Amino acid sequence: NAGVMQNPRHLVRRRGQEARLRCSPMKGHSHVYWYRQLPEEGLKFMVYLQKENIIDESGMPKERFSAEFPKEGPSILRIQQVVRGDSAAYFCASSSVPANTGELFFGEGSRLTVL
Amino acid sequence: QKEVEQNSGPLSVPEGAIASLNCTYSDRGSQSFFWYRQYSGKSPELIMFIYSNGDKEDGRFTAQLNKASQYVSLLIRDSQPSDSATYLCAVNRNFNKFYFGSGTKLNVKP
Repeated sequence: NAGVMQNPRHLVRRRGQEARLRCSPMKGHSHVYWYRQLPEEGLKFMVYLQKENIIDESGMPKERFSAEFPKEGPSILRIQQVVRGDSAAYFCASSSVPANTGELFFGEGSRLTVL
Repeated sequence: QKEVEQNSGPLSVPEGAIASLNCTYSDRGSQSFFWYRQYSGKSPELIMFIYSNGDKEDGRFTAQLNKASQYVSLLIRDSQPSDSATYLCAVNRNFNKFYFGSGTKLNVKP
């Protein structure tokens, strides 16, 4: 039973390029969460999605960032025109129920470095 | 004011001792409370959750919640070097997102 799968594990981009991070939730999980973690800091909530719907994107920057969770395929976090401040670890988590009643299972994270 | 506050540490304890990790939260409407462990370069994993005031024990771990003081703690008995990690306190206030503290780094010395 595979856990939450994220890819790529490491991604290097130059300023102005696009970054696409993918997350496949655990089998049977339909709730996906994206978090960002800067070095020596905690996890900052970005967005919560269910299949084909964005439920809460209050933690996502208004510009350059977008997320989707299509009916088929993984959830994708897209960062356009990356800047150095976007360098961070991006963690995806999934749950089988809304997070307030169940455990969040985390992927190994995608580490983005912007040169 | 941050939603969840933790002392960044590092907290150093000798092997076999009790490690006490603390966390405060700002919103009295918070409903559920979680402790995650994160090894360096790895993803967080759930240690314990607690919803009601009082203590909750699971093996060597005890979570304590005091809603009046807006305080959550995690006690680790008989600490082992393998417990060395960063411990993240998380609070759930709305239905769909956790607020995480910045974590406390624990070092257990052999």
